[in-house]
Amino acid sequence: DVKVTQSSRYLVKRTGEKVFLECVQDMDHENMFWYRQDPGLGLRLIYFSYDVKMKEKGDIPEGYSVSREKKERFSLILESASTNQTSMYLCASSPSGTGFYEQYFGPGTRLTVT
Amino acid sequence: QKEVEQNSGPLSVPEGAIASLNCTYSDRGSQSFFWYRQYSGKSPELIMFIYSNGDKEDGRFTAQLNKASQYVSLLIRDSQPSDSATYLCAVNPPGNQFYFGTGTSLTVIP
Repeated sequence: DVKVTQSSRYLVKRTGEKVFLECVQDMDHENMFWYRQDPGLGLRLIYFSYDVKMKEKGDIPEGYSVSREKKERFSLILESASTNQTSMYLCASSPSGTGFYEQYFGPGTRLTVT
Repeated sequence: QKEVEQNSGPLSVPEGAIASLNCTYSDRGSQSFFWYRQYSGKSPELIMFIYSNGDKEDGRFTAQLNKASQYVSLLIRDSQPSDSATYLCAVNPPGNQFYFGTGTSLTVIP
């Protein structure tokens, strides 16, 4: 079974803090994605990566950055957290050659910025 | 205009009935369409995807595409209470992006 894990299930941070959200997959997937999910707005793509050290902007990259130093790990970074970044953050991965097609999601991190 | 739009519902159907879920998309060049299911408090999981060249059936699920009207539908036959969830439509338009709709909540009443 594909397993995508995220470092925290719940996280509370203060405005202005630097926040790291970690995602790890154990199936040697090439592609990894970060989304946020908000009521009424649905899932929105923040960043994705097709390979180590590569990154592509999604629909809403502003205020976020990412890092992919190893194939299995994809980190989302909030340089200076703001209250409008309070959300559920979901990581996903997909096998080589499938792009967006076969995404497997992690359990999510509910981030609250106070 | 949103890339993908869905009626948020809720949609209620009796057990054994056909549930019909729809979404519309804005980019006429889109060629790949996806349906995800998300149970309350859980992550989305892929049910099925279709290409612009045809409909697809997988067990009790059928995905249909109407390119002229730019909408995608998901039919669930013989609906079961375990099908109660939020169904997310997603589209992969040209330009290497991926857009989800806001989801339709389905309740199957025993």
